[in-house]
Parts: sequence; C-alpha cells; structure tokens
Amino acid sequence: DAGITQSPRHKVTETGTPVTLRCHQTENHRYMYWYRQDPGHGLRLIHYSYGVKDTDKGEVSDGYSVSRSKTEDFLLTLESATSSQTSVYFCAISEGGGGYTFGSGTRLTVV
Amino acid sequence: GDSVTQMEGPVTLSEEAFLTINCTYTATGYPSLFWYVQYPGEGLQLLLKATKADDKGSNKGFEATYRKETTSFHLEKGSVQVSDSAVYFCALSPLNAGNMLTFGGGTRLMVKP
Repeated sequence: DAGITQSPRHKVTETGTPVTLRCHQTENHRYMYWYRQDPGHGLRLIHYSYGVKDTDKGEVSDGYSVSRSKTEDFLLTLESATSSQTSVYFCAISEGGGGYTFGSGTRLTVV
Repeated sequence: GDSVTQMEGPVTLSEEAFLTINCTYTATGYPSLFWYVQYPGEGLQLLLKATKADDKGSNKGFEATYRKETTSFHLEKGSVQVSDSAVYFCALSPLNAGNMLTFGGGTRLMVKP
C-alpha cells in the first residue's frame, strides 16, 4: 500500500552494530506499531505509538527503542544488534477500530 | 489475558474445495474480531471484520460470523482458488484497549490446481 513504506527492505548487519529501521506514512494516522515475525511465533508487538512523542512497550521490547518526532515517521532502533534479532520487521498504522495497514516488511539479518 | 487460538496448518486443499479455518478467542467483554491475510513476501492485509455478536464479515468470497456463545470467528470460503494460497491470521481488539490487536499464530493455506 502506497500509504505506508518501510526502509530498508533488506539489511545485513554485524553483531554489536546499531541499526535503525524507518516507517513512513502518508495517511496521517494516529497509531503506529512495530512487529517482528518469526517462524513459530507469529507476530509479536515490539513498540507502539499513539501520537507524536507518545510511545509504549510491547511484549518483546528488550533491545529495541523507538522514536516518533513527526506524525508520519516511526523509527525502530536496535542499539546493539544480536543474532536473536534476525527477523522480518513489520510496521503498521491505524486510525482506530482495529483496522491496521501493514508495510511490506524489512528483512534483517544479523551475522 | 486476551488470546486467539487458530487451527494449526498447513491446510492443503484442491482448487474449488470448501475452506474452513477455525478461530476461537478468550477475552473479557465483547471485542472486535478480524481476519488478516498475508501473501508470500508481503505484509498483512485486512480481509474482513466483525464488531459485535452475530455480525458477519465478508470480502472476496470469504465469510466469518462472530459467535459469542462459542467465542469463535471461523473463516469460510465456498470454493478456493490457487490465488488464495497465503497465511491467514485471526485477531481481536479488546474494548478500551487503545486500538491494540492480539493475533493468533496464523494458518497457512495451500491450494493445489
């Protein structure tokens, strides 16, 4: 969907390096989310935002931080990447009512 | 806490077969219920939803009915196509939960010609 884009689409990084993933929306939606998807675990919520500078932790937030300085951008940072953070990361946006629009995902490999 | 349980896959069907993917939930009150679909290499897309008991959500030939008495929201389609091959996720959004979604583990559907 053109209303939400994630960058980069693919990234390979080394253990111990910082990594930032970007989610950009053009829909002016209030809520933004970061999920990770792993085989056998389904989708797990990392962090979410309910407005500019308003963020909160999800169920798997350890090792991740987020920032939202503008309505349209939600950044996910791995401060020091580990192999356990190899995953596919999805951003989602919503204006309420439970209907989410997902980005196409970022495949991150930590070697 | 709230949870969603889906039947484990993969579900393998021949084209034009009838599809049922079971979904049951545990939640306080009356949540909204959703089905999302994920095609290979893509993000999830909202397929259908129901916001109150006995509501039927429908889209692209898929249907699901919100059954409060059995706490279920089973996904059905009368005649599947190869293009329906994907992973299907059931989800719920509790009342007064700040628009949070709780997802099931997903069910992979494979349709053979």
